[in-house]
Amino acid sequence: QKEVEQNSGPLSVPEGAIASLNCTYSDRGSQSFFWYRQYSGKSPELIMSIYSNGDKEDGRFTAQLNKASQYVSLLIRDSQPSDSATYLCAVNWGNAGNMLTFGGGTRLMVKP
Amino acid sequence: DTEVTQTPKHLVMGMTNKKSLKCEQHMGHRAMYWYKQKAKKPPELMFVYSYEKLSINESVPSRFSPECPNSSLLNLHLHALQPEDSALYLCASSPGPGGETQYFGPGTRLLVL
Repeated sequence: QKEVEQNSGPLSVPEGAIASLNCTYSDRGSQSFFWYRQYSGKSPELIMSIYSNGDKEDGRFTAQLNKASQYVSLLIRDSQPSDSATYLCAVNWGNAGNMLTFGGGTRLMVKP
Repeated sequence: DTEVTQTPKHLVMGMTNKKSLKCEQHMGHRAMYWYKQKAKKPPELMFVYSYEKLSINESVPSRFSPECPNSSLLNLHLHALQPEDSALYLCASSPGPGGETQYFGPGTRLLVL
């Protein structure tokens, strides 16, 4: 059973702080990793994709991947109230069909 | 442009109705997906079309029938649904079926009475 685990939260951080979101996955053969942001009632929006070990930065967002530890994280610097949403970690196991398995999501609340 | 469009935005149907959901993308993507998302849960994969052929059916009941008329269009035909099928139905597309990023449409919120 391939699983993706996230802390459901809510994770509450003050405005301007760094929010750290974590995700673990069960299969060492996983190849692609994605972070999506989902506002209440809306569809998932891609924040970041990461394929190799290490850090990948895009503006205020940094994704970190450690395949040996089967761990992927998302850091949000200078958090804003508009970042308040549910963050979904998704893993592609590399099998045929590009199947994504989502974690349960972490709800982030950024307080002014 | 990474836009996937879905119509309608909202749909209310009775258990004896037949309706269809439509998804369209003009990014030249060759893989398209249907997901179902219940409240406070992550999206669950229903179907995958790769190069216009159904490649994955995640044991979805036959009251859901997908169709891919061409590389830009994906339909989901609904018939004899149950109230528990009420959910947000999401369409996504990716450049190909090999691990690329999936881009989601805005979804259709379905209510079955």
